[in-house]
Amino acid sequence: EAGVAQSPRYKIIEKRQSVAFWCNPISGHATLYWYQQILGQGPKLLIQFQNNGVVDDSQLPKDRFSAERLKGVDSTLKIQPAKLEDSAVYLCASSLWEGVRNEQFFGPGTRLTVL
Amino acid sequence: AQSVTQLDSQVPVFEEAPVELRCNYSSSVSVYLFWYVQYPNQGLQLLLKYLSGSTLVKGINGFEAEFNKSQTSFHLRKPSVHISDTAEYFCAVSDPNSGNTPLVFGKGTRLSVIA
Repeated sequence: EAGVAQSPRYKIIEKRQSVAFWCNPISGHATLYWYQQILGQGPKLLIQFQNNGVVDDSQLPKDRFSAERLKGVDSTLKIQPAKLEDSAVYLCASSLWEGVRNEQFFGPGTRLTVL
Repeated sequence: AQSVTQLDSQVPVFEEAPVELRCNYSSSVSVYLFWYVQYPNQGLQLLLKYLSGSTLVKGINGFEAEFNKSQTSFHLRKPSVHISDTAEYFCAVSDPNSGNTPLVFGKGTRLSVIA
């Protein structure tokens, strides 16, 4: 079966610019996650969707980050405006259902560099 | 809140030698524990998980981990490593008694296998 798809794989922007990332989860997976992985650290959850509803966005910097999953399938994560500290790999993951007993499958990530 | 400490940021080891990657978590009544592997420019892949039952957990690629509640540890081991095991390894924890809590990752251990 096809895995989690993400695009673009790499993005370089200047600070204060906007950027958007796209994720297509595994077919049939109801739960979708966005993680931020800063160099030298483990992934940190930004937002979790169950179908098209938000389950947890407590660690999402809402003044500049937004995410949507309008039809309960693919999702976009946007940063506007970007800061230097947003340089990181943004990972998308999906699972059949919510709850950590369900294995999360990760995409390859989008590496963002903010200059 | 749960936290994870991976005691070694880098572990070099010769091919065919045994390896242990250490992970300690903050104390809790019960936990779910996970080890993920991340190969260069790829997303995370689940190696193994402990949810309940036997404290010795076997995973993919010949890895195993032992849950030690008294020492709050979940160390990952492999009796004989291969060059292909060179990657970043992440330990993660979740609290099963707090609803839909996200995975909390450690900072990772970079395993380098030397020929």
